[in-house]
This record gives sequence, structure tokens and C-alpha cells, in this order.
Amino acid sequence: DTGVSQNPRHKITKRGQNVTFRCDPISEHNRLYWYRQTLGQGPEFLTYFQNEAQLEKSRLLSDRFSAERPKGSFSTLEIQRTEQGDSAMYLCASSSSTGETTNTEAFFGQGTRLTVV
Amino acid sequence: GQNIDQPTEMTATEGAIVQINCTYQTSGFNGLFWYQQHAGEAPTFLSYNVLDGLEEKGRFSSFLSRSKGYSYLLLKELQMKDSASYLCAVRDLNSGYALNFGKGTSLLVTP
Repeated sequence: DTGVSQNPRHKITKRGQNVTFRCDPISEHNRLYWYRQTLGQGPEFLTYFQNEAQLEKSRLLSDRFSAERPKGSFSTLEIQRTEQGDSAMYLCASSSSTGETTNTEAFFGQGTRLTVV
Repeated sequence: GQNIDQPTEMTATEGAIVQINCTYQTSGFNGLFWYQQHAGEAPTFLSYNVLDGLEEKGRFSSFLSRSKGYSYLLLKELQMKDSASYLCAVRDLNSGYALNFGKGTSLLVTP
């Protein structure tokens, strides 16, 4: 296992189209996070999963965004009816935890750069 | 939510020492992380603090004061490859286990 894998690395789409990104976390990491990052900004939290359960969603995540992690392994992030404002780098991260706390860092993938034209 | 503040940009000379500060406000503090991010690449983990004090890791050290809501990242013996964005992130139990990031400090190391 070489780390968190995301694909595609780049995606250009026309406004109004739907796009789907995939994230494969580090094996046996039970927590998976999606972030969005625009130029000159830090990553903004979108949502996270513990195993297959989506436990938290940011208010940034509009109804056009949906994320799944059906078997508690890989995850997909879908954006429907894309808008130019959705153009950003979408980062996935994973971490391991036991019980209610974790003191381990999150490992990030290389990201999917989305450009909406 | 959290307010996480760090300087936007810093410049330092190769071989020198630089300190990048981060202040935060949170109600359920559960750890502060520093990440390094080179342009176009993923953030990579540098350090983690949950108790007050200094954590040293090679050329990089990180300090935390929970009572002051303050942390700093200290980089020694700067190298050109240290030019990158440095992200301060806080985990708050009241908003789940996700990290909430500051906007990052862009560090330029000059010869």
C-alpha cells in the first residue's frame, strides 16, 4: 500500500455536468475525509466517514454534493450540475482510530483538480 | 467553529531559523497539527501537539500553549526545499474528528 490514491488527478467539465471522484484510502484506515482547497487557501472540510457511516457534513456541502463509502473502503464524491465556483482541488485523507479518540495524523492523497468551464 | 490565524507570507534565508505562529479559538480542543504543502502537491504531516510544550522532530519543532490558544512551528537550518506552505490545523471534538485548517503560511527561503 503506497498511500491514499485519488482519481482522476485532473477533470475538466462543462458547467451543468455531473462529475464523480474516487478515493482509495490507506488499507485498514477506518476514517476517511473529503476536503476542498482553492488557490491560496487551506483545505476546507467537506465530510467524513467512519467505516461506511457518514458522520459529519459541513455546511459548505450543498445538496449538489454527495459522498458515499459503501463498503467502508473506497469512497466517491459526486457533484451534480457543476458550477464554475466548484472549481478547486478536492483532497481525500484517511486516518486510523480506536475508540473515541485518535492521536494519529491524517494522510492526504494527491487530490483531484476540477476545472468547470 | 474555529478561528485559526497564521501569517500569510514569510521570507527567510537559507541556513537561518524561522518561526511560524498560529493562534486559534476552539471550545473542544483535541490536538493541533502542522502540515507542509508544496505547490500542486498533497499536504504532508509534520507534527502533532495535544499537551502544552515543545515537540522536537529533527529540524522541525512545534510548540503549544492551550491556555493561550497558540502554537508555533520552528524550522532550523533552513534549506531551499523548505519553501512551501505551512498549514496549522486544529481538531475539535465538538465538530467531529476532522481537522480544520488555517489558510496557511507561504514560506520563501532565499539563498
